[in-house]
Amino acid sequence: AQTVTQSQPEMSVQEAETVTLSCTYDTSESDYYLFWYKQPPSRQMILVIRQEAYKQQNATENRFSVNFQKAAKSFSLKISDSQLGDAAMYFCAYRRGNFGNEKLTFGTGTRLTIIP
Amino acid sequence: DADVTQTPRNRITKTGKRIMLECSQTKGHDRMYWYRQDPGLGLRLIYYSFDVKDINKGEISDGYSVSRQAQAKFSLSLESAIPNQTALYFCATSATGTGVYEQYFGPGTRLTVT
Repeated sequence: AQTVTQSQPEMSVQEAETVTLSCTYDTSESDYYLFWYKQPPSRQMILVIRQEAYKQQNATENRFSVNFQKAAKSFSLKISDSQLGDAAMYFCAYRRGNFGNEKLTFGTGTRLTIIP
Repeated sequence: DADVTQTPRNRITKTGKRIMLECSQTKGHDRMYWYRQDPGLGLRLIYYSFDVKDINKGEISDGYSVSRQAQAKFSLSLESAIPNQTALYFCATSATGTGVYEQYFGPGTRLTVT
């Protein structure tokens, strides 16, 4: 069974600095997708970034980027120029690439605090 | 207006009561899902539906049932609520044909069973 591990329950960073959130996963599949979701105090789950396993290039969305290390099964999220609005729970998630397989497997989350 | 809506947003109910959580979407997606979130456990899949005639169990379906009344509506029922079903419940949608099938979430329903 696939598992997703986020080993940092809490992280904090000074405003305008850079922070990296860690995620590792375990799978025997070669075709899969990885996601980072943000959950602010409003409870809404917001997709931040996604990575297809077959792509070697790391995904980037504005201030958010990932470091995808397929061999190491590592998928970290880097937030640059941290802003107060980045304060939230961040969840890493995995999905197999097979058509019809709908299950997203989530990690337990990392709570990110932004220090003004 | 929000693309995925859930009602109610918050609900307190008593043990043994039947309760229904509703989800509606205007995204035109064919696939819909129900998850529950518990502190320290992330989100876990309860049920999912590929279309109106297709319902599938997720990893924690015991104690729950669902109904897909239309492509845009997917309801989750707790036939006889128990305290360990106290959690945050999310509905999500995705679209066939996008390849990645990334899921879009509603705002969540916080359910408390006393």
